[in-house]
Amino acid sequence: NAGVTQTPKFQVLKTGQSMTLQCAQDMNHEYMSWYRQDPGMGLRLIHYSVGAGITDQGEVPNGYNVSRSTTEDFPLRLLSAAPSQTSVYFCASSPGQGYGYTFGSGTRLTVV
Amino acid sequence: GENVEQHPSTLSVQEGDSAVIKCTYSDSASNYFPWYKQELGKRPQLIIDIRSNVGEKKDQRIAVTLNKTAKHFSLHITETQPEDSAVYFCAAPPPGSGGYNKLIFGAGTRLAVHP
Repeated sequence: NAGVTQTPKFQVLKTGQSMTLQCAQDMNHEYMSWYRQDPGMGLRLIHYSVGAGITDQGEVPNGYNVSRSTTEDFPLRLLSAAPSQTSVYFCASSPGQGYGYTFGSGTRLTVV
Repeated sequence: GENVEQHPSTLSVQEGDSAVIKCTYSDSASNYFPWYKQELGKRPQLIIDIRSNVGEKKDQRIAVTLNKTAKHFSLHITETQPEDSAVYFCAAPPPGSGGYNKLIFGAGTRLAVHP
C-alpha cells in the first residue's frame, strides 16, 4: 500500500491564482481531512469528509473548497491564492470513528 | 488549536529522564484522544491513542493517561532517548462533533532530549 499520497510536494503560486492539491489513499479509509501547518500554530483543520459525497468545514475553511466523489480521492482547491495561505498542507485518512489518522507527506505551498 | 490546550510548549530533559505533556479538552462527550510525533521536516505520526472507556494505555516507553472528570489527558515518556526529540501533538474531537469523527490538534510541545 502506498498509504496517503499528496501531490505536488512543492508549489509556488502568484496571488490570485487557483490550484488543486491532490490527495489519494489506497487503504479504503472512510474519513479524510485536510490540515494546514504554520510555524508555531500546530495543525489546523480546513475541511474533512466522513465518506464519499459528504464533506464539512473545519476550523479554517475560508478560501478553500473540497469534494469527495470517490472514497480514494479528496482534492483541496484554492480558489484565489493569498499570501496568508502560504503553509504546509497535510492530507490525512482514517478507517473511521475512534481510529487515528495516517498523514501524507505534505505539500509546501508558497504564495507570492 | 481551538478547545484543545497543550502544555508545555517546550520541554528540555536529560537522556534517561521522564517527560510529561498534558492536554485539556472542553467537550465531556469526547471519546478519542490520540498523540502524534512529528520530526523535523516529516509528517505527523500516530504514536499512541486512548479511548474514553480506559484510564491508561502503555506501549513500551510511552503511556497515555486520561482523566475524564478533569477533562485532561497526558503523554508520559520514560527513559527518554535523543531520538525522542521531536514535536508532540495531542488531539481531541471539538465540541459538537458528535463523537470522534474529526480531530482538533493542540499547538504542540517541542521536546529536546540532551545526551
